[in-house]
Amino acid sequence: EAEVAQSPRYKITEKSQAVAFWCDPISGHATLYWYRQILGQGPELLVQFQDESVVDDSQLPKDRFSAERLKGVDSTLKIQPAELGDSAMYLCASSFSTGFVGELFFGEGSRLTVL
Amino acid sequence: AQSVTQPDIHITVSEGASLELRCNYSYGATPYLFWYVQSPGQGLQLLLKYFSGDTLVQGIKGFEAEFKRSQSSFNLRKPSVHWSDAAEYFCAVGNTGTASKLTFGTGTRLQVTL
Repeated sequence: EAEVAQSPRYKITEKSQAVAFWCDPISGHATLYWYRQILGQGPELLVQFQDESVVDDSQLPKDRFSAERLKGVDSTLKIQPAELGDSAMYLCASSFSTGFVGELFFGEGSRLTVL
Repeated sequence: AQSVTQPDIHITVSEGASLELRCNYSYGATPYLFWYVQSPGQGLQLLLKYFSGDTLVQGIKGFEAEFKRSQSSFNLRKPSVHWSDAAEYFCAVGNTGTASKLTFGTGTRLQVTL
């Protein structure tokens, strides 16, 4: 069964360091999402790609976060510099549908701890 | 803007008992509604979804949900809970358009006692 792949599963870093997360969506899925889930809360959308284009990054803290999906397939989310408040689970999801929210398929997430 | 409210942060039920998790949404048009489940340290798995048609939808693992437009609700139910159902449950509402996305509630943690 096709899955959304994410790495690393766990990352511990010190504040002010740079971190990066990678996501490989299900083959053929044009839409890719990065969500952030703080412990005890629901996922919140950070950025949404349609192929290689960003369609929504309104909630992405652009002073320290960046995301790219250069060839419209896999994607990287970067944080530089990391802050204590960035400790969270970073979830990647993909969807085949465009212009209509079909089922989102989630990866297992990357848990970030900032010390 | 769309939003979801899950009023129960934590629910405890006995194994074999029935379950209902509440979800209220806010959306200006016909909503697309979802329930996801998350086990500790894992990603989210889709339980069921409502797009249109029959307001009672069946999902995986014996779950069902009923869409009630008049109450802006989409409550999740299961007639008999199993210990393996212990997890976090998230209701979500989806929009349409170029930037179609899911907006999640804050979740309900289900504990099952034996």
